[in-house]
Amino acid sequence: EIVLTQSPGTLSLSPGERATVSCRASQSIKRNSLAWYQQKFGQAPRLLIYDVSTRAAGIPDRFSGSGSGTDFTLTISRLEPEDFAVYYCQQYDSIVLTFGGGTKVEFK
Amino acid sequence: VYLLESGGSLVQPGGSLRLSCVASGFTFSSYAMTWVRQAPGKGLEWVAGITASGSGTYYADSVHGRFTVSRDNSQTTLYLQMKNLRAEDTALYYCAKIPDNNWYFWLDHWGQGTLVTVSS
Repeated sequence: EIVLTQSPGTLSLSPGERATVSCRASQSIKRNSLAWYQQKFGQAPRLLIYDVSTRAAGIPDRFSGSGSGTDFTLTISRLEPEDFAVYYCQQYDSIVLTFGGGTKVEFK
Repeated sequence: VYLLESGGSLVQPGGSLRLSCVASGFTFSSYAMTWVRQAPGKGLEWVAGITASGSGTYYADSVHGRFTVSRDNSQTTLYLQMKNLRAEDTALYYCAKIPDNNWYFWLDHWGQGTLVTVSS
């Protein structure tokens, strides 16, 4: 099983600032098989990015993904008020899907 | 795309429950589906996946041998049969669509979830 470790656990920022969320895999992810999700309180997760860097339909371009191997990053270039939420990475390189533990982006 | 889960309730340890997820807005029989759960205040945990045809299934170790995922493509419905339930199975259970006929991809649409509580 591929274990995904996200950091930091919580990110305290202000609107307009840049958010950087890290996701580290316990073994190399070979097929660029990494996605990111956003979950707001009381809502289902929403797909943001798949295949490391491809934005899902309707996702603003302030969201971007990068990385390879074992280290991946989600960047929100300028935080909007609606971006304060919990973010999860997920790998699909193996048939056992796994998620990271989540990073909460909160108001500073 | 619309996914509507149902069947969650309060059940005693050792009990059984069957969850359903009715899908609409896409050709259900062409896409794999999956179940993901979220314990109260915790993160996301993948539970099970099933191929578009239903011929292939796979489970997380934590539920293997106790849970069974199935689908009825004629009724556009996904199921999760849960047996020998434990307190640690308490969670909000989401069904999610996969954009392929195999389950090991990203999850592009999610339902709103159904709550399972295992307690005496």
